[in-house]
Amino acid sequence: QVQLVQSGAEVKKPGASVKVSCKASGYTFTSYGISWVRQAPGQGLEWMGWISAYNGNTNYAQKLQGRVTMTTDTSTSTAYMELRSLRSDDTAVYYCARANRQSGSYRRFDYWGQGTLVTVSS
Amino acid sequence: DIVMTQTPLSLSVTPGQPASISCKSSQSLLHSDGKTYLYWYLQKPGQSPQLLIYEVSNRFSGVPDRFSGSGSGTDFTLKISRVEAEDVGVYYCMQSIQLPYTFGQGTKLEIK
Repeated sequence: QVQLVQSGAEVKKPGASVKVSCKASGYTFTSYGISWVRQAPGQGLEWMGWISAYNGNTNYAQKLQGRVTMTTDTSTSTAYMELRSLRSDDTAVYYCARANRQSGSYRRFDYWGQGTLVTVSS
Repeated sequence: DIVMTQTPLSLSVTPGQPASISCKSSQSLLHSDGKTYLYWYLQKPGQSPQLLIYEVSNRFSGVPDRFSGSGSGTDFTLKISRVEAEDVGVYYCMQSIQLPYTFGQGTKLEIK
């Protein structure tokens, strides 16, 4: 069965960086992408971007451009999301999701990780 | 960015009764490939979002047939024919026709 297992909760100071991992199993990793979505406390869902596990192509939300980097390690079927220059409003649960490619982009998120809480506090 | 507007933002339903959630997009979600990239997700309390409906009206694997999606262009609806206790949570619509992908604000379903 498809599973996405994320790394544990993190506490970071403003200005620091965080790197969240998402280990996939139960499917051919390189046949899909991974999308990242975050959810601030008590708030809705915000799409952050996606990465192709096939060729490493990425697409990031413009508001995060320059601060976010998504990567994959196909040898371990693991995706990573690094967010730099953290601010208090980056405090959120970060989710990875398996993404299906359709018409040149990764549009359908069908299986989700359990989420990783990142707290940014001085 | 495409704005997704859900109504209502909350609803309270007696078990066995139907429920309906509307989602309107600020632009058409019909792609030139003929597909409409509108999705419905449910986030149960304390859990990750889960896919219910993809491309307007297709139930994802394992989703009960009491859930149905309909609509076209900019107006979409999620219907639950007979609400059960396990359906509580927040329902989100999402568009993925245009970057950045955007979600509706969410509709919280509770049981009376």
